[in-house]
Amino acid sequence: GAGVSQSPSNKVTEKGKDVELRCDPISGHTALYWYRQRLGQGLEFLIYFQGNSAPDKSGLPSDRFSAERTGESVSTLTIQRTQQEDSAVYLCASSLSFRETDTQYFGPGTRLTVL
Amino acid sequence: RKEVEQDPGPFNVPEGATVAFNCTYSNSASQSFFWYRQDCRKEPKLLMSVYSSGNEDGRFTAQLNRASQYISLLIRDSKLSDSATYLCVVNQSSASKIIFGSGTRLSIRP
Repeated sequence: GAGVSQSPSNKVTEKGKDVELRCDPISGHTALYWYRQRLGQGLEFLIYFQGNSAPDKSGLPSDRFSAERTGESVSTLTIQRTQQEDSAVYLCASSLSFRETDTQYFGPGTRLTVL
Repeated sequence: RKEVEQDPGPFNVPEGATVAFNCTYSNSASQSFFWYRQDCRKEPKLLMSVYSSGNEDGRFTAQLNRASQYISLLIRDSKLSDSATYLCVVNQSSASKIIFGSGTRLSIRP
């Protein structure tokens, strides 16, 4: 079956512009996660959804970042007024639920470059 | 102190060697633990979960030490294809947090 997909795969934008990143989780997975990975660094947990709700948004780096999920399916991560420091790979993952033992399956990521 | 810490490496070992690395975590309430593998410019993929009793999958053995708050990964008879970054993951589901370590880079040489 299909895995997690993300679009676009690459995005180059100018500083100050808004960008929207999309994630399509595996069908039937109720939990969805967003991470950021800067070059040569580990994964930074941003936010997760259980269904359409995000219990804790404190991992988002600033108020320029927002995320939503609809229909317990597609999620979008929006970055407003992008800054050069936002350049990174944004990874989405999904799992059956947010239980301790549920495996996360990752999408290929969106590589964001802010000029 | 970081919530999850790993030795960044790189570990550079010959093919066939045994290599082990640890990951420490600071929150004793952490509930589940995993090792993920990430190849260069690829997404992470689950290698194995880590259970209290320790678990083995082929050449890979994972251990959890709750008293000392660390998990370990042992790779026996290493192959060239084992070259990757290994990420330690700690799930604090009670706090709605999943924390990835920065990863340990492993390079296997012929």
